[in-house]
Amino acid sequence: DAKTTQPPSMDCAEGRAANLPCNHSTISGNEYVYWYRQIHSQGPQYIIHGLKNNETNEMASLIITEDRKSSTLILPHATLRDTAVYYCILHGSSNTGKLIFGQGTTLQVKP
Amino acid sequence: DVKVTQSSRYLVKRTGEKVFLECVQDMDHENMFWYRQDPGLGLRLIYFSYDVKMKEKGDIPEGYSVSREKKERFSLILESASTNQTSMYLCASSLWSNTEAFFGQGTRLTVV
Repeated sequence: DAKTTQPPSMDCAEGRAANLPCNHSTISGNEYVYWYRQIHSQGPQYIIHGLKNNETNEMASLIITEDRKSSTLILPHATLRDTAVYYCILHGSSNTGKLIFGQGTTLQVKP
Repeated sequence: DVKVTQSSRYLVKRTGEKVFLECVQDMDHENMFWYRQDPGLGLRLIYFSYDVKMKEKGDIPEGYSVSREKKERFSLILESASTNQTSMYLCASSLWSNTEAFFGQGTRLTVV
């Protein structure tokens, strides 16, 4: 079973920030929080990851709470091309390397 | 760039056929994965391999087997294809358990 829970769907207006939440209350100390997205008919693609600290790259920002039990992916200026399914999953040696995906959040960016 | 290549983008097979789905990665990754994806069910892990000749069952291994004779290649085998195995199949690889996974473009398999 997936160790993360995400809302099934969200809407966002084009040009606005999209904030996608993820709960991972049973996260272990050596597990990283990874985010991927899947655009229709393609394989998932990596977006960003973090362990404890907040992270930012050219695509997004990742905010991890101090207790590490939840995180938020932020797309600062969503475009129509950001419409996709977003997955939050945990990577780490404690799960014997298996990558278990949940249902993800379908983000619909609207004009 | 890391590349994960799946041998076919689309496949149509008959019920009862033995089907091989091939996946090759070119970055010397230790871990490789096979998933299937169905509408409303997300990505479900079928099998996982963490080394040559090593494999572990995922959440839905029934009806499937795998082979990893070389580090770069991970094959998914449907011993006797059935219509309920019609699905999108995705292969992925990662260097270690805590590193980024790279996915192939997927194989859409239809069993008739």
